[in-house]
Amino acid sequence: AQSVTQLDSHVSVSEGTPVLLRCNYSSSYSPSLFWYVQHPNKGLQLLLKYTSAATLVKGINGFEAEFKKSETSFHLTKPSAHMSDAAEYFCVVTRMDSSYKLIFGSGTRLLVRP
Amino acid sequence: GAGVSQSPSNKVTEKGKDVELRCDPISGHTALYWYRQSLGQGLEFLIYFQGNSAPDKSGLPSDRFSAERTGGSVSTLTIQRTQQEDSAVYLCASSLAWTGSTGELFFGEGSRLTVL
Repeated sequence: AQSVTQLDSHVSVSEGTPVLLRCNYSSSYSPSLFWYVQHPNKGLQLLLKYTSAATLVKGINGFEAEFKKSETSFHLTKPSAHMSDAAEYFCVVTRMDSSYKLIFGSGTRLLVRP
Repeated sequence: GAGVSQSPSNKVTEKGKDVELRCDPISGHTALYWYRQSLGQGLEFLIYFQGNSAPDKSGLPSDRFSAERTGGSVSTLTIQRTQQEDSAVYLCASSLAWTGSTGELFFGEGSRLTVL
């Protein structure tokens, strides 16, 4: 069965410093993995996706993630945090037997300090 | 429309009442999804529509929950005899087709339901 674990419920960084949001997955097959972002009182928005092409995936707003099969990880990074990055981030995997059914991690709330 | 539209944005109801939540997907999107976001449960899949049919209703928590979609467009999620544990944000999403591995769903801002 597929699942994702987001290792940190909250991450706090200073503006201009790097961001690292951690995600580990479990999958019986080669997974498709995604990061979604949810700003306060807004809908979820796709940041980036991995679908078995390049292992380093670039997304919107300067975010990127690297698929590491040996570590079963898909961590989200950004070199320099901006105040507008404060939001909740969800790591997501699709199920191979019903790939329309996204499986969401529990979310990581990113706080950016001025 | 430009994005997925959900109404009402907020709904407060009394235990035992029925509620209807509406979702208007992006024009041309054939696939529509309902998810529930609640404290302690994260985001849960409820139901998926391809056109007007719902191949997978497995996520509906109980028979008090039902959903329909008409004209391949607007969908309504109905909760009968609401309970306090139904309090959550109900999110609707749509996509051009069933997403397969592409995973790109376009989400609405949600309907926040509070059952007193």
